[in-house]
Amino acid sequence: SQTIHQWPATLVQPVGSPLSLECTVEGTSNPNLYWYRQAAGRGLQLLFYSVGIGQISSEVPQNLSASRPQDRQFILSSKKLLLSDSGFYLCAWTLTGGTEAFFGQGTRLTVV
Amino acid sequence: KQEVTQIPAALSVPEGENLVLNCSFTDSAIYNLQWFRQDPGKGLTSLLLIQSSQREQTSGRLNASLDKSSGRSTLYIAASQPGDSATYLCAVERGEGGGADGLTFGKGTHLIIQP
Repeated sequence: SQTIHQWPATLVQPVGSPLSLECTVEGTSNPNLYWYRQAAGRGLQLLFYSVGIGQISSEVPQNLSASRPQDRQFILSSKKLLLSDSGFYLCAWTLTGGTEAFFGQGTRLTVV
Repeated sequence: KQEVTQIPAALSVPEGENLVLNCSFTDSAIYNLQWFRQDPGKGLTSLLLIQSSQREQTSGRLNASLDKSSGRSTLYIAASQPGDSATYLCAVERGEGGGADGLTFGKGTHLIIQP
């Protein structure tokens, strides 16, 4: 069966520090991968999606970047965190053709 | 730009009642619509997926309908239980991307089922 792993679960980082969140999927090949952010009082917002290795599409201009070095690995990064980067970050995957989206357990990021 | 609205924002009902959660979207050119459940501090659990060509889907006590032309979906929960307490999210997939472009979410309905 397919599973999705996301870590760490919680993270407290100072303003200006770098960020790296990792997501891996098991049990499937060539998934579409996504990073979403859920900020307090706002809905879930799509940040990045990837349909293949090295292919990244960004939905909103921001202080973050994403990379997909392997088929089932998706990384969210920042060189210098801002206070506004605080939020709940969720990784998800689907298969092409409009299948269900499956989500990881999320990372709670607090920038202080 | 697609916008998804969920009504009501919060709902509290006694155990055993049947209830309906509403979702509307502004652009009817969707690929599919999905309902999720989110428990506090947790990720999302998929409940039901309705493809754009379908009218409804059922799973246990849950039934979701889709009226694509009017931009509406409803989630019906039968015989509610305290374990159903959670935030319910509606999301639509854009129509142009073949199901790969990601989801646009509503802000959710926070549901409390009183024992």
